[in-house]
Amino acid sequence: AQTVTQSQPEMSVQEAETVTLSCTYDTSENNYYLFWYKQPPSRQMILVIRQEAYKQQNATENRFSVNFQKAAKSFSLKISDSQLGDTAMYFCAFMKHEGGGADGLTFGKGTHLIIQP
Amino acid sequence: EPEVTQTPSHQVTQMGQEVILRCVPISNHLYFYWYRQILGQKVEFLVSFYNNEISEKSEIFDDQFSVERPDGSNFTLKIRSTKLEDSAMYFCAIRAGVVDTQYFGPGTRLTVL
Repeated sequence: AQTVTQSQPEMSVQEAETVTLSCTYDTSENNYYLFWYKQPPSRQMILVIRQEAYKQQNATENRFSVNFQKAAKSFSLKISDSQLGDTAMYFCAFMKHEGGGADGLTFGKGTHLIIQP
Repeated sequence: EPEVTQTPSHQVTQMGQEVILRCVPISNHLYFYWYRQILGQKVEFLVSFYNNEISEKSEIFDDQFSVERPDGSNFTLKIRSTKLEDSAMYFCAIRAGVVDTQYFGPGTRLTVL
C-alpha cells in the first residue's frame, strides 16, 4: 500500500512571497503519477499540477511548480508570487499506474496555506 | 477541465435511512470514482467504476455502499443504512486526459443525525 505524508499542517506567508509545501510518499511501484490538489473554503477539489513519475523534468503551471525527486520519494510544490486567492488546503496525492486507469488516489493529510495581505 | 456536477449539494438524513448521491458528468466518460472526506480529515478513496462495474474498492466500501450507473449518464452512490460516522463530504470524480487525471465534482455534504 502507498502512503503520502505532508509534514506541515499549516503555513503562513505574506502576499507576493514564494512558499514551498512538502510531500513525501512511500511506494514500491515504479510507474505512478503525483498530483497537487487545492481545496478552498468552498471545499471544491481543484487540480493544481500533475507529474508523471517517468518524466525527469519537473512540471510547471504558471506560478506553480514542483520539485520531484524520485529517488528520495519527494514531491514538493512551490508557489511563486503568492496571492490571497491561494489561501486553501493543499493535498498531495499519489496514483499508481498499472494500466486501465481505475486506480484510486491516495491523499496526504493536507497543508493549510494562509496568504497574509 | 471536464465538468462534473453532483446532487444534492447538501443532504440531511436520519440514522438508518438510505441515501443516494448523484454524479452527472457533462460529457461522456468511462471511469468514475467516489471519495469521502470527513470534516477536518484527508480525502479517502471509496471505489472506482469502469465499464459498468466496480474496478477497485477500499476497505471503507463495505456492504452498506453500492454504486451504479442506472441510465448510462448518472453515476450514483447508495448508502443503505446510514450511520452517524457516514457524515462527510462525498466527492465524485471522473478520469480525463492523457495522464489519467481525476477531476472532482463540487461534492455532496452528507449529515446524518
